[in-house]
Amino acid sequence: QKEVEQDPGPLSVPEGAIVSLNCTYSNSAFQYFMWYRQYSRKGPELLMYTYSSGNKEDGRFTAQVDKSSKYISLFIRDSQPSDSATYLCAMSGNAGGTSYGKLTFGQGTILTVHP
Amino acid sequence: NAGVTQTPKFQVLKTGQSMTLQCAQDMNHEYMSWYRQDPGMGLRLIHYSVGAGITDQGEVPNGYNVSRSTTEDFPLRLLSAAPSQTSVYFCASSYAGYSPLHFGNGTRLTVT
Repeated sequence: QKEVEQDPGPLSVPEGAIVSLNCTYSNSAFQYFMWYRQYSRKGPELLMYTYSSGNKEDGRFTAQVDKSSKYISLFIRDSQPSDSATYLCAMSGNAGGTSYGKLTFGQGTILTVHP
Repeated sequence: NAGVTQTPKFQVLKTGQSMTLQCAQDMNHEYMSWYRQDPGMGLRLIHYSVGAGITDQGEVPNGYNVSRSTTEDFPLRLLSAAPSQTSVYFCASSYAGYSPLHFGNGTRLTVT
């Protein structure tokens, strides 16, 4: 079983829809949680970064972390065609609090927002 | 500010050939790492470095070597290319152990 599980989709939604992307994980030592967006033939770019449990909002994006359930989510409101990309969850951390720059990634969810 | 720069963008190798993938960052980041991305597998860590002169293995290190002689550069060497190494390779850096990673745009490698 993988440490981080993410539904690969693909997910296709109409413009303006609310999108929900999710990951589950098994390693209770994870403390830092990230969502990356990756456009075709590009490197991943950081969207959201949260520490421990709770919510974080940035414009149309909201990240939620529930450490008790080992479950993280990314919500996209008023989705746009420009949001079409692969979304990767990632996490890190150990008992010492540092990850040495190492992340464990989900498989990525391919999202298409059609006009 | 270029961020993380990877060269080449594309490469085709024959089985058994060797090559070096270059990675440079201009953000003075201490932490650098190499990942490979394969369909359905996400990104997997190959090697990482916590500073000049210090490297360690990640999840899938076999067939790859790294060294870190300067803060800026972190090259990845394929010793004897195999078709299983066909992948997209990403270099990344961060300024601290708990910081998110900044990625380059990748090197697309095909081994025939």
